[in-house]
Amino acid sequence: QITLKESGPTLVKPTQTLTLTCTFSGFSLSTSGVGVGWIRQPPGKALEWLAVIYGDDDKRYSPSLKSRLTITKDTSRNQVVLTMTNMDPVDSATYFCAHPYSGNAFFFDYWGQGTLVTVSS
Amino acid sequence: DIQMTQSPSSLSASVGDRVTITCRASQGISFWLAWYQQKPEKAPKSLIYAASNLQNGVPSRFSGSGSGTDFTLTISSLQPEDFATYYCQQYNSYPPTFGQGTKVEIK
Repeated sequence: QITLKESGPTLVKPTQTLTLTCTFSGFSLSTSGVGVGWIRQPPGKALEWLAVIYGDDDKRYSPSLKSRLTITKDTSRNQVVLTMTNMDPVDSATYFCAHPYSGNAFFFDYWGQGTLVTVSS
Repeated sequence: DIQMTQSPSSLSASVGDRVTITCRASQGISFWLAWYQQKPEKAPKSLIYAASNLQNGVPSRFSGSGSGTDFTLTISSLQPEDFATYYCQQYNSYPPTFGQGTKVEIK
């Protein structure tokens, strides 16, 4: 059974760096083609894909946010960490981590519950 | 990036109605399309992948079709638990992109 859960701060100040952790179970990130991705959703708005990392350490980023994002994995702890620099109020959103079906089929078949991040001074 | 456009943005329907939602890609994506259902304050739930394949456990009243640039999600007989927002997502190429969503409301 695959499960994922996000953790991190609920409130960050503008210009700060956001660090979110996804802790998962039911699969291993030491296998090529197995990955974890991040997607966000501003209140009342659509889903936006941010980044994904695979077991072979292949990383992909949203082109519009690439300069601000870093995704890393800790295979031994079953965790994936997303950092986003220079946070702005427009980055306020629910951030989800999710399991892509495979490296070649990057739709998301399992999702975490999401964590709401508010950017405000 | 491939743009995904859903229509309508919202619709009102009654229990038992047949509902169709359309998703159009800005360029051909073969059949690399997924559909999700999202209820308020919940994570999206994967319904369909590869345009027409139902995820395990998804009721058979849900179906998907299409290829290339035009896709549809159909609910053959709307049930009370189907009132939600539906999103399409292309995974033909990076970055994966989502439609803006279609909210299905109770008439």
